[in-house]
Amino acid sequence: DAGITQSPRHKVTETGTPVTLRCHQTENHRYMYWYRQDPGHGLRLIHYSYGVKDTDKGEVSDGYSVSRSKTEDFLLTLESATSSQTSVYFCAISIGLAANTGELFFGEGSRLTVL
Amino acid sequence: DQQVKQNSPSLSVQEGRISILNCDYTNSMFDYFLWYKKYPAEGPTFLISISSIKDKNEDGRFTVFLNKSAKHLSLHIVPSQPGDSAVYFCAAPLYNNNDMRFGAGTRLTVKP
Repeated sequence: DAGITQSPRHKVTETGTPVTLRCHQTENHRYMYWYRQDPGHGLRLIHYSYGVKDTDKGEVSDGYSVSRSKTEDFLLTLESATSSQTSVYFCAISIGLAANTGELFFGEGSRLTVL
Repeated sequence: DQQVKQNSPSLSVQEGRISILNCDYTNSMFDYFLWYKKYPAEGPTFLISISSIKDKNEDGRFTVFLNKSAKHLSLHIVPSQPGDSAVYFCAAPLYNNNDMRFGAGTRLTVKP
């Protein structure tokens, strides 16, 4: 158990509304990630963080922003949700120096439905 | 650009038999590969990995084989158990950024 908590676990919202998903970790790991999982695509990286206030874009970052004001919290925001953002979102941490030096540990996921 | 591909969306095997899950990749720069297992309503969990300096890595019932010339890896589960029923993802890290590329996943069903 890597001590990752995601909230909310389920959310239904309407197109055009803002949505924020929260990822909280208890072990002060430096690297945190947000992935989305969609049928036929596996998991795709949205944004990642390599420290407080240090973030960068992933493969599918359009329409998303992130913030990390504390080591333990990594927030994913959809400024204006669209139906294409209906997905399951996973937060992950890397125990090693970065994603490319070891396995990722994932949270339980947040299922978002945009109507 | 899906650099890691799992072309079989599903696989069904009988309990006790071998399960073979396949994965192909296109990026010759990949030199480390991982398999993740995912149950419904849970996050993926790491299962086994292999470095490109090896062609086989074994952990109990799970063995991963790597064929670099064919850009292909496979996960063997022997013997398969009903509790192995899950979605399996293969993945590879990109070294030019902090990203891990995942295949689309294969849903394994092990029938009692």
